[in-house]
Amino acid sequence: AQKVTQAQTEISVVEKEDVTLDCVYETRDTTYYLFWYKQPPSGELVFLIRRNSFDEQNEISGRYSWNFQKSTSSFNFTITASQVVDSAVYFCALIWMDSSYKLIFGSGTRLLVRP
Amino acid sequence: GAGVSQSPSNKVTEKGKDVELRCDPISGHTALYWYRQSLGQGLEFLIYFQGNSAPDKSGLPSDRFSAERTGGSVSTLTIQRTQQEDSAVYLCASNPDRTSGSLFETQYFGPGTRLLVL
Repeated sequence: AQKVTQAQTEISVVEKEDVTLDCVYETRDTTYYLFWYKQPPSGELVFLIRRNSFDEQNEISGRYSWNFQKSTSSFNFTITASQVVDSAVYFCALIWMDSSYKLIFGSGTRLLVRP
Repeated sequence: GAGVSQSPSNKVTEKGKDVELRCDPISGHTALYWYRQSLGQGLEFLIYFQGNSAPDKSGLPSDRFSAERTGGSVSTLTIQRTQQEDSAVYLCASNPDRTSGSLFETQYFGPGTRLLVL
């Protein structure tokens, strides 16, 4: 069965702390894509990154970085020097070859960054 | 450019009434998706359109739910005889055709319609 698990329901940090959001996925397919989306209080899902199963390179974009490890089926997201504007719900999602193009999402991690 | 737009932003209705939710995808995007976000179920897929046809309707929760897409653009999700358990945020997403070397394109989401059934 295909599944995405975000075990951290809610994380609270003080501004400027680093924080890592965990994502563990399950799929039988060898070809799949993983995504992270941010959902601020306004409600819109904002795309952050996608990674395909054949590319295990880690990626850094400003204060954001992603660590993809197929050996542990994880795709973790780190925010360095967090800011209040990072407060949001973050979703990890999976799409695979036979998924009929639908994303399945984890339950989300609510991040609160306190000033 | 303009993103995915949805209307109305909020909808309050009485149990038993029909509602129509509208999605206007990003111009030129051929694929369109409806998802539902509720407290108990998280984010769940409802239906997928490629052009005007819906190859996958597997996520529609009951026959009270239907959707159509006309002209390869705007889509309408209709819920008949609404029930309180239909209260949720209904999200629409779209993506362009696959580019060379990519099996899946990124889905871009609209702001959602918050539906409350009293």
